[in-house]
Amino acid sequence: EIVLTQSPATLSLSPGERATLSCRASQSVSSYLGWYQQKPGQAPRLLIYDASNRATGIPARFSGSGSGTDFTLTISSLEPEDFAIYYCQQRSNWITFGQGTRLEIK
Amino acid sequence: EVQLVESGGGLVQPGGSLRLSCAASGFTFRSYWMTWVRQAPGKGLEWVANIKQDGTDKYYGDSVKGRFTVSRDNAKNSLFLQMNSLRDEDTAVYYCTRVSSVAATPQYYFDFWGQGTLVTVSS
Repeated sequence: EIVLTQSPATLSLSPGERATLSCRASQSVSSYLGWYQQKPGQAPRLLIYDASNRATGIPARFSGSGSGTDFTLTISSLEPEDFAIYYCQQRSNWITFGQGTRLEIK
Repeated sequence: EVQLVESGGGLVQPGGSLRLSCAASGFTFRSYWMTWVRQAPGKGLEWVANIKQDGTDKYYGDSVKGRFTVSRDNAKNSLFLQMNSLRDEDTAVYYCTRVSSVAATPQYYFDFWGQGTLVTVSS
């Protein structure tokens, strides 16, 4: 099973700041990695697929990068609605999710 | 508008059974792989099961293999999850999700989600 490790567990930032979230895979997943956003009481929402492609309707401030084992989700300038939990997911070998990064308001 | 609406959750005793349903609308249901994903209270996401468009191929996570069965009824635009031999650790919100697709090829990301149905396994 491919294990995805997300860091940091919690990230405290202010609106307008840049957020950088990390996801590391226990073995290469090529570019087969996605990112999801989940707000309290809501279902997750797909943000990024195949490491760097924005899903339909996702604002340009969200971007993804990386390949192999190291991936990054960047939010260029935080909006109030961006404070949520973010999960990465790989589809290279079955399907697994990371444990999540909580992005909270500082 | 794509909609996925789960039902069938509730309280069940350990060792019991439950059948979840998901009603799909707003897209051509028979053209997509579908998936169940669960989330234990306060925890992360866990993939449970996938099913191919015509129901011929099914895949399960190790934690549910042999106990859960995924199925679908394309005539009724419905997805199901039969859960048997339930354990405390199966307590979770269960989400019905659509598998993303490019040129009819599944990409195994989840581009639409229902709101989930809570299953509680407890005596």
